[in-house]
Amino acid sequence: NAGVTQTPKFRILKIGQSMTLQCTQDMNHNYMYWYRQDPGMGLKLIYYSVGAGITDKGEVPNGYNVSRSTTEDFPLRLELAAPSQTSVYFCASSYSKTVEEQYFGPGTRLTVT
Amino acid sequence: QQQVKQSPQSLIVQKGGISIINCAYENTAFDYFPWYQQFPGKGPALLIAIRPDVSEKKEGRFTISFNKSAKQFSLHIMDSQPGDSATYFCAASSGGYQKVTFGIGTKLQVIP
Repeated sequence: NAGVTQTPKFRILKIGQSMTLQCTQDMNHNYMYWYRQDPGMGLKLIYYSVGAGITDKGEVPNGYNVSRSTTEDFPLRLELAAPSQTSVYFCASSYSKTVEEQYFGPGTRLTVT
Repeated sequence: QQQVKQSPQSLIVQKGGISIINCAYENTAFDYFPWYQQFPGKGPALLIAIRPDVSEKKEGRFTISFNKSAKQFSLHIMDSQPGDSATYFCAASSGGYQKVTFGIGTKLQVIP
């Protein structure tokens, strides 16, 4: 049981490039989330999903897109990367919608230059 | 607008001492107050949490104190150990995962 896995661990992008951050969970969780963590700031919710085929915006969705074609995978797409998207990105999952049960992945550190 | 204010941003405590991290909130609709522990290179992990109907919750060396009238809550780590060195985040939520507000984090260093 690997829990929540994220790839890549690190990535450097040039302004205007695109990339997909991968997130996979093997706990059969219905709920999945993407957060970003900026230095000196708490986590902020980007997008979340309550099940395959269902996604919704969080607090800071601009510049990102998501899809949820399977229960296990919840990729985050960055189109036209900007320096403001330099951050550490965390994927999380939970069986229910309660905060208590969220499990976080190890994170992806992204730098846009 | 920072709805959950956390202090201090960094803390150095000697082994065996008490580490205290404080948080204050503004939104009285918050009904769940978790604390997360994050080690370098890892994602946050839920450490302990409290609901506003109790004033204190203890799990091992970790205690949350909650003051509803003052809209403040704090994490106390008793007998702090070097293995407790991590970043700690307080948070507050109302209505579940979509509405979680995190504090800015406290980097704790426990020195031998």
